[in-house]
Amino acid sequence: QVQLQESGPGLVKPSETLSLTCTVSGGSISGSYWIWVRQPPGKGLEYLGYVQPNGNTNYNPSLMSRVTISVDTSKNQFSLNMNSVTAADTAVYYCARDKGGRAFDVWGQGTMVIVSS
Amino acid sequence: EILLTQSPGTLSLSPGERATLSCRASQSVNNNYLAWYQQKPGQAPRLLISGASSRATGIPDRFSGSGSGTDFTLTISRLEPEDLAVYYCQQYGNSPVTFGPGTKVEIK
Repeated sequence: QVQLQESGPGLVKPSETLSLTCTVSGGSISGSYWIWVRQPPGKGLEYLGYVQPNGNTNYNPSLMSRVTISVDTSKNQFSLNMNSVTAADTAVYYCARDKGGRAFDVWGQGTMVIVSS
Repeated sequence: EILLTQSPGTLSLSPGERATLSCRASQSVNNNYLAWYQQKPGQAPRLLISGASSRATGIPDRFSGSGSGTDFTLTISRLEPEDLAVYYCQQYGNSPVTFGPGTKVEIK
């Protein structure tokens, strides 16, 4: 079955860019929406956005100016870039899949990103 | 943006008891695209219910979802010790996707 694995730096300096990649294994990246969600320590879940295999994107308006999600179908990967980070961006970042109308049925294990100098 | 409110904030019950979790939306959720997730400590969320009432693959039938429009319910018919978790509702019928603040289920 499809599995997702996040990767990227665990520590990012304030004002810099957070970059994470999610690798899709056990299935094709085609035909689904690919999602990023984050969870600050001790808090709830926040939707960041999605990318489709054709490159179409949708972002949470609260973060839209700082977030870019892209896809590399040749590598079965999709990525998250968030610029101008602050301590408030410290969180566990999850990637997930939505097959369309079925909610987020597959999740990665999550990766903790700390924003600190 | 649709605001989701979950109640109660914390639910403390004994094994075998019935748990009823509520999720209320600030406006009607398109297509009743309302999902429930279970998040155990230190783990990623797991999809339990989509489309308000459809159980995800592999989810025990003691978990059931109901509701439509703005009012939705997750019921755990007979609590088991491994059901200790935070349960989140999510609407994905209106952009942007939003999550509720969660209900923590404690096992006495």
